[in-house]
Amino acid sequence: GAGVSQTPSNKVTEKGKYVELRCDPISGHTALYWYRQSLGQGPEFLIYFQGTGAADDSGLPNDRFFAVRPEGSVSTLKIQRTERGDSAVYLCASSPHGWRTEAFFGQGTRLTVV
Amino acid sequence: TQLLEQSPQFLSIQEGENLTVYCNSSSVFSSLQWYRQEPGEGPVLLVTVVTGGEVKKLKRLTFQFGDARKDSSLHITAAQPGDTGLYLCAGAVQGGSEKLVFGKGTKLTVNP
Repeated sequence: GAGVSQTPSNKVTEKGKYVELRCDPISGHTALYWYRQSLGQGPEFLIYFQGTGAADDSGLPNDRFFAVRPEGSVSTLKIQRTERGDSAVYLCASSPHGWRTEAFFGQGTRLTVV
Repeated sequence: TQLLEQSPQFLSIQEGENLTVYCNSSSVFSSLQWYRQEPGEGPVLLVTVVTGGEVKKLKRLTFQFGDARKDSSLHITAAQPGDTGLYLCAGAVQGGSEKLVFGKGTKLTVNP
């Protein structure tokens, strides 16, 4: 596709359930980032992939959060035992080489935990 | 913990007015970026500034990076309703990390 695609665009889940959020980056982009944006806040860093490996996962809030990028393209953010505080917009971005080159964000997945 | 503070948090002005948005930190960043975000969309990069004291112009927008690389400003001349949106600054942590630290943003409304 022409841009970064995130699916689903909206997800409502019950407290305690497991969710997966998908990111399709721009073809050929080796760097992929996940951010979380709560209402009234700026995006908060979660994890950065360079190729298949997680180069920096220091932003993941706890061990309920996990992300993979098995083939260096599509990435999945996985959240176990969801809590109401996990409700936010989850943003994915990709870039050719990192922040030194322009990064492109997807439209985000709005996660609501009820 | 690097923290970027943006001010003002909200700004509502009339078409044709000028405005300045500020981004400040006690930390030094290797580079700083400005983004614009519209409701339901991801942020879109406007500019990256790298050198202390650097000034970049993008049509009616002027971006400045402070000499000490701790602060930045965005000035808009003759604002238009199409400039309405959330303006975010983001700093690249010094030391080669790929982590970007974002401010909370300035929500700008330009009224016709």
